[in-house]
Amino acid sequence: QKEVEQNSGPLSVPEGAIASLNCTYSDRGSQSFFWYRQYSGKSPELIMSIYSNGDKEDGRFTAQLNKASQYVSLLIRDSQPSDSATYLCAVIKDGGTSYGKLTFGQGTILTVHP
Amino acid sequence: DAGVIQSPRHEVTEMGQEVTLRCKPISGHDYLFWYRQTMMRGLELLIYFNNNVPIDDSGMPEDRFSAKMPNASFSTLKIQPSEPRDSAVYFCASTSGQGSQPQHFGDGTRLSIL
Repeated sequence: QKEVEQNSGPLSVPEGAIASLNCTYSDRGSQSFFWYRQYSGKSPELIMSIYSNGDKEDGRFTAQLNKASQYVSLLIRDSQPSDSATYLCAVIKDGGTSYGKLTFGQGTILTVHP
Repeated sequence: DAGVIQSPRHEVTEMGQEVTLRCKPISGHDYLFWYRQTMMRGLELLIYFNNNVPIDDSGMPEDRFSAKMPNASFSTLKIQPSEPRDSAVYFCASTSGQGSQPQHFGDGTRLSIL
């Protein structure tokens, strides 16, 4: 089992729809969770961070965390063509030799079509 | 506010040559990370430093790879001798705090080994 797994893509949604991106992680000791967006040929860009159970909203983006289910998701409301990118889920396992180490999922390619 | 600065942006060299990639982290950040990204393997952590000291180098593929951080504002990743399978995009990232904060990425170095 991979440490961080994302739902297989690519994901295609129409403009204006809600895009739902999912991620599961294997280590219950994980404490910090991030979503990065990466446009083709560019570097990963942080768009959301979440540390406690529940929802966190920032504009059109909502991150959801459920530590009991070891599940984190990203919802993008009113999707725009400019949201088309690869979305990377990343997890930090605080403590021990993994302290500060960020583990990435394989990424989900999102395409928003007009 | 300057971000993470990497150089060169592109590097093309022949197999067997030494390659040196450079990174300047964000001022005040005490964690520095080197990643490699390929289509096949995604984003992989190679090594990371805390306060200029290597913490985890388990991701370094083999002895041909080495990394140093002589001071808080500079790090290098060296490949000697280089091989075609080393072709990838290499990212440097930095963060501050207690290791649980999001990482900020440089623009990357696109390396091609012929």
